[in-house]
Amino acid sequence: DAGVTQSPTHLIKTRGQQVTLRCSPKSGHDTVSWYQQALGQGPQFIFQYYEEEERQRGNFPDRFSGHQFPNYSSELNVNALLLGDSALYLCASSSGPAGNTIYFGEGSWLTVV
Amino acid sequence: QKEVEQNSGPLSVPEGAIASLNCTYSDRGSQSFFWYRQYSGKSPELIMSIYSNGDKEDGRFTAQLNKASQYVSLLIRDSQPSDSATYLCALYSGAGSYQLTFGKGTKLSVIP
Repeated sequence: DAGVTQSPTHLIKTRGQQVTLRCSPKSGHDTVSWYQQALGQGPQFIFQYYEEEERQRGNFPDRFSGHQFPNYSSELNVNALLLGDSALYLCASSSGPAGNTIYFGEGSWLTVV
Repeated sequence: QKEVEQNSGPLSVPEGAIASLNCTYSDRGSQSFFWYRQYSGKSPELIMSIYSNGDKEDGRFTAQLNKASQYVSLLIRDSQPSDSATYLCALYSGAGSYQLTFGKGTKLSVIP
């Protein structure tokens, strides 16, 4: 039973560039949420996708956008990268938007230089 | 604004002792509470969930919830060096909210 898978695991980008991170949810899950975790902080909610729609959004600028595909996988896009975007980006999946059991992938480490 | 407060630590306990991790929260509407363990450089791993007042035990772990005091805790009995990690408290208000709100985490160090 595959868990939540994310790619890439590590990447380095330059300020101003754009990045796309990918996530496949755990088998049987249809909801994907994205979180940003800066060093020494807890994860911060970016947004959640269910039925290919953004259901809820956290306190992040429009530079952060996403998409969910019919197979429930998801992408997170970040435009005009800033140094402060350097963080661990976590994808979490659940069964339904209000699913109480949420599983995280291993994350994508983004470094902006 | 929902807030989750944790003592950042580090909390050091000797091997075999009980580690007590605490968390307070501000949103009285919070419905579900979770403890995640995060090893350095890894993603959070769910270890306990609790939804109603009282204690919930799972092996060496016990979660305690007191909604009146807006307080949730995690006890780790017979602490092992492998328990050394950052423990994240998270809550899910449920009503119209689909996001987990996390504390900053408490770093636990179990000394052999």
